[in-house]
Amino acid sequence: QVTLRESGPALVKPTQTLTLTCTFSGFSLSTSGMCVSWIRQPPGKALEWLALIDWDDDKYYSTSLKTRLTISKDTSKNQVVLTMTNMDPVDTATYYCARIISWGSYFDYWGQGTLVTVSS
Amino acid sequence: QSALTQPRSVSGSPGQSVTISCTGTSSDVGGYNYVSWYQQHPGKAPKLMIYDVSKRPSGVPDRFSGSKSGNTASLTISGLQAEDEADYYCCSYAGSYVFGTGTKVTVL
Repeated sequence: QVTLRESGPALVKPTQTLTLTCTFSGFSLSTSGMCVSWIRQPPGKALEWLALIDWDDDKYYSTSLKTRLTISKDTSKNQVVLTMTNMDPVDTATYYCARIISWGSYFDYWGQGTLVTVSS
Repeated sequence: QSALTQPRSVSGSPGQSVTISCTGTSSDVGGYNYVSWYQQHPGKAPKLMIYDVSKRPSGVPDRFSGSKSGNTASLTISGLQAEDEADYYCCSYAGSYVFGTGTKVTVL
């Protein structure tokens, strides 16, 4: 049974760095082709793809946010970590992690999401 | 990468069919057969409904179908049911990933 769960702070201040952790089970990120991705959704708005890391530790980022994002994995802990620097109120959103079975394919399992509010 | 364009809302009565369009470019929707569709109920995580343009994951009712023509993909819900009322998002691989603007489906 595949599950993913996001964790991290519910509130961050402007200019701070956000660190989110995706803890997953039911699959291994060392399996050839496997990927974990981050997607966010501001309140009442559309989904936005952020970043992806694959089984081979290749990393891909949204062009518009690339300078602020870092994605990493700890295969032994079944975790993927996303950091986003210089947070702004416009970054207030629910952040989801999701599994992809091969780069280019679809998001088949999602976490429940974690709401991050950016406010002083 | 610009978001894919979807109608803001569509509606239909129970039993009717509705179709949601998802318009991109030759660099995303038109360039790859990697279009997927997600259903999202309020306060819930998105759920995969269609992948690779027209394939249905196990457990998704066959009243959901997908297609593509040129730079536009479509999701059709046949025999609309009350539980189909939700937001729907398309997504395309484009060297990275790009989502649609989202469509609210209302069952009248």
